[in-house]
Amino acid sequence: KAGVTQTPRYLIKTRGQQVTLSCSPISGHRSVSWYQQTPGQGLQFLFEYFSETQRNKGNFPGRFSGRQFSNSRSEMNVSTLELGDSALYLCASSLADRGGETQYFGPGTRLLVL
Amino acid sequence: AQSVTQLDSQVPVFEEAPVELRCNYSSSVSVYLFWYVQYPNQGLQLLLKYLSGSTLVKGINGFEAEFNKSQTSFHLRKPSVHISDTAEYFCAVTNTGNQFYFGTGTSLTVIP
Repeated sequence: KAGVTQTPRYLIKTRGQQVTLSCSPISGHRSVSWYQQTPGQGLQFLFEYFSETQRNKGNFPGRFSGRQFSNSRSEMNVSTLELGDSALYLCASSLADRGGETQYFGPGTRLLVL
Repeated sequence: AQSVTQLDSQVPVFEEAPVELRCNYSSSVSVYLFWYVQYPNQGLQLLLKYLSGSTLVKGINGFEAEFNKSQTSFHLRKPSVHISDTAEYFCAVTNTGNQFYFGTGTSLTVIP
């Protein structure tokens, strides 16, 4: 099976702009989670979608939003970018139909905000 | 909410020496525990996981971890490290299966 794919891999934006990141999960996986990774902070949970519904949300401002499509592909949007939004954004997919399911990660999208 | 503490942010170790990376989590209720590894410019890769049963879990690349419920710990060990083990290691916990909590990571550097 193909792994989790994320596009684009790299992005450079300026403050105030908005950005959309895309994630395609492993075939058959219905859960997609998004994380922000910054040095020293580890992975911060953004949100999780399952069958097009947001099930969990982390402690991020409303500028961060996401959605999931019927084919389980997910997008994450950040509006009004700030310098502090520069990070590696990771997407992970899993079956998540029961506890303990492994999350499989994509390579990430590295966002630089200037 | 859960929290995960990785006590050592950086661990240098000589090649072929043993290593232990420490992980403690906050809750004593039923949890599932994971260790992931991240190589430069890559996503996270699963090393091993504990769901239930034997408290000693073996993973890929010769790593193992021991679940200790009374100490709420899940330390990762390897008896002999290689240069290729140089990477960032993350401990994670979940109890619902759909929200993971990660530690801040331990950077393992293997010195030749």
